[in-house]
Amino acid sequence: KAGVTQTPRYLIKTRGQQVTLSCSPISGHRSVSWYQQTPGQGLQFLFEYFSETQRNKGNFPGRFSGRQFSNSRSEMNVSTLELGDSALYLCASNDIGQGSGNEQFFGPGTRLTVL
Amino acid sequence: TQLLEQSPQFLSIQEGENLTVYCNSSSVFSSLQWYRQEPGEGPVLLVTVVTGGEVKKLKRLTFQFGDARKDSSLHITAAQPGDTGLYLCAGGYNNNDMRFGAGTRLTVKP
Repeated sequence: KAGVTQTPRYLIKTRGQQVTLSCSPISGHRSVSWYQQTPGQGLQFLFEYFSETQRNKGNFPGRFSGRQFSNSRSEMNVSTLELGDSALYLCASNDIGQGSGNEQFFGPGTRLTVL
Repeated sequence: TQLLEQSPQFLSIQEGENLTVYCNSSSVFSSLQWYRQEPGEGPVLLVTVVTGGEVKKLKRLTFQFGDARKDSSLHITAAQPGDTGLYLCAGGYNNNDMRFGAGTRLTVKP
């Protein structure tokens, strides 16, 4: 099976702009989670989608949003970008309901730089 | 505040040495995973432990889950430069709510 793919891999934006990141999970995986990773804060959970519904949400402002499509592909959107949003954004898919033990399979990430 | 505390934060050792890194929390986990992440890539799952007291071995890596399912350790025997990376632990609290520690950044010098 192909792994989790994320596009784009690198992105440069300026403050105030918005950005949309895309994630395609492993075929058959219905859960997609998003994480923000920064050197200072480590890996922070943003939200998780399952069957097109947001099931869990981390502690991020409303500028961070996401959605999931019927084919399990997911997008996350960040509006009104701030300098502090510069980070590696990771998507992970999960094979729920088959003894997976919550194992997350990560994509390579999108490196977002806000200038 | 991290729900999972990992220690040490940084570790630099010579090839051939042994090391142990730790992951601790005040919460009980339904499962715990260890991941390794290399620069520019996403974390890669190494192991999942679900039973208190469980020990799993993966070649030179030994993973232990605490009896109370609140802590875990990763021991590497005879470390190699290829072991260099960021080691992350992640605890599962319910069906799919995962929380990660800040990681231990390991450097193994040849």
